[in-house]
Amino acid sequence: AQSVTQLGSHVSVSEGALVLLRCNYSSSVPPYLFWYVQYPNQGLQLLLKYTSAATLVKGINGFEAEFKKSETSFHLTKPSAHMSDAAEYFCAVSDGRAGNMLTFGGGTRLMVKP
Amino acid sequence: DVKVTQSSRYLVKRTGEKVFLECVQDMDHENMFWYRQDPGLGLRLIYFSYDVKMKEKGDIPEGYSVSREKKERFSLILESASTNQTSMYLCASRQDRGISGNTIYFGEGSWLTVV
Repeated sequence: AQSVTQLGSHVSVSEGALVLLRCNYSSSVPPYLFWYVQYPNQGLQLLLKYTSAATLVKGINGFEAEFKKSETSFHLTKPSAHMSDAAEYFCAVSDGRAGNMLTFGGGTRLMVKP
Repeated sequence: DVKVTQSSRYLVKRTGEKVFLECVQDMDHENMFWYRQDPGLGLRLIYFSYDVKMKEKGDIPEGYSVSREKKERFSLILESASTNQTSMYLCASRQDRGISGNTIYFGEGSWLTVV
């Protein structure tokens, strides 16, 4: 079975600092990996996804994530945080089986301090 | 632009009431989903549908049912609402012709409070 672990339910950074949100997955077959962002009182919006092409994936709003098979990780980064990045971020995995269902991590709430 | 619309953003219902949550997508997607979102638990799949009149149980189907009579519409039904069903409910859809990496698109969510 596939699963996702997001380390740290809350992450706080200063404006302009590096953002690093961690995601580790388990899957017995090559996975598809996603990062979604949820702003307050809204649904989820796709940030980026990995679908077995380049291991470094660039997304919207300056975010990127690197797929590392050896570490079973797909961490999300952004070089310089903006106040507008404050939101909840979800990592998700689909391994293509069981109807291609997505399994989500528990989410990480990012807070950006001025 | 992709659009998944949930008809009710905020609802307050009494214990034992029957509750309908409606979702419509305008992208002609085959797959539709209902998730429940709770703090610290992420999103958990309640039901999904891969075609009209077809449905499959997700991870937490107990206390819920669904209906998909038309391709664009997927309804979540709480037959007898209970306080532990107070949550945020998210509808989603996806074009899926056997391609695993397709994006799931979400609605804005329905906040349900059961008192």
